[in-house]
Amino acid sequence: AQKITQTQPGMFVQEKEAVTLDCTYDTSDPSYGLFWYKQPSSGEMIFLIYQGSYDQQNATEGRYSLNFQKARKSANLVISASQLGDSAMYFCAMRRSYQLTFGKGTKLSVIP
Amino acid sequence: KAGVTQTPRYLIKTRGQQVTLSCSPISGHRSVSWYQQTPGQGLQFLFEYFSETQRNKGNFPGRFSGRQFSNSRSEMNVSTLELGDSALYLCASTGSGIAETQYFGPGTRLLVL
Repeated sequence: AQKITQTQPGMFVQEKEAVTLDCTYDTSDPSYGLFWYKQPSSGEMIFLIYQGSYDQQNATEGRYSLNFQKARKSANLVISASQLGDSAMYFCAMRRSYQLTFGKGTKLSVIP
Repeated sequence: KAGVTQTPRYLIKTRGQQVTLSCSPISGHRSVSWYQQTPGQGLQFLFEYFSETQRNKGNFPGRFSGRQFSNSRSEMNVSTLELGDSALYLCASTGSGIAETQYFGPGTRLLVL
């Protein structure tokens, strides 16, 4: 069975600073996909970034980058130059058999 | 392209009633997935449809059912509502490509009284 662990229930970051949100996963599948989503208070899940298990390079999308350490089974999200609009819940997820398994999420609060 | 749309956005029902939620995927997407989000259980997978066929189902009772139409629009139905069914129900459509990214709609907030 797949499992996603996000150990930080809440995080604070100063505006314009970088922040790392932790995610570890457990799977026996050799091929898998890892995703990060942002969920503002409105409820919609917004796709941020994807990392495939065979990707050699860490994924990047604008201010988002993924620190992928396959041997450690970790896929941490790095947000650079935090903005007030980054305050939200962040979820790490793994895809298998047409479904996503999500972690419990991390609530990020950006302080002006 | 328009995003995933879900209707209604908010719903209040009483125990024992049934409810139907609707989801229209992004144009061209043929796969639709449903998730339930509650404060206690987090995000849980309900089921996934592709070309009108259910390919995968989560661990939910038979009161939860779904279907997909030929135009890829999907509905989920919950019969005999219980208080614990109060949740945010999220629908996602899956894009093509190696990532098969799921793009979510705004969700339907269901309150069961």
